[in-house]
Amino acid sequence: DARVTQTPRHKVTEMGQEVTMRCQPILGHNTVFWYRQTMMQGLELLAYFRNRAPLDDSGMPKDRFSAEMPDATLATLKIQPSEPRDSAVYFCASGFQPLRGSPLHFGNGTRLTVT
Amino acid sequence: DAKTTQPPSMDCAEGRAANLPCNHSTISGNEYVYWYRQIHSQGPQYIIHGLKNNETNEMASLIITEDRKSSTLILPHATLRDTAVYYCIVRVGKTSYDKVIFGPGTSLSVIP
Repeated sequence: DARVTQTPRHKVTEMGQEVTMRCQPILGHNTVFWYRQTMMQGLELLAYFRNRAPLDDSGMPKDRFSAEMPDATLATLKIQPSEPRDSAVYFCASGFQPLRGSPLHFGNGTRLTVT
Repeated sequence: DAKTTQPPSMDCAEGRAANLPCNHSTISGNEYVYWYRQIHSQGPQYIIHGLKNNETNEMASLIITEDRKSSTLILPHATLRDTAVYYCIVRVGKTSYDKVIFGPGTSLSVIP
């Protein structure tokens, strides 16, 4: 089965350090979503790309977060500088739009702990 | 954007059918209803989706009311492995812009 791959699975870092999370979407998918999940906030949409172009990043703190798609096989989410409140699980999902009925496929997430 | 309302939690006895309701009274005519579930510490998993007709696959059945204002996900014979958070989502549906927003979902506990 094709899968969305996220690396690293776990990351522990100190406050102020840069963190980069990577996502390999399913081959042929043209849409990538980044979500953040915490116990308090649930699944929050951070950014949304289609055909490598950002369509919406309104859920992302602009001063420290950035999301890019250098090519169709790689999406990155960077935090610089990281803060303890960024501790969460970050999920990437890919899909194909605008095909109606096409579901999203999620990776297993990157668990980030900022101390 | 159409929004959904789900009960925060439900219990179901193992082997019984689990019926998870979802209200989406503001749904538009071209918007699909999707269901995902998330087992602890994993990414959400797609279950099923529908537009107007009832749907069934190997995982579940989806019953959509005639007015499309609500739906029910049915797990016909719940097992302990079905314990998860279940999310009902209405896709925005615009061909040029289709954010996928998750609500808090329903936490289903399957009890032995």
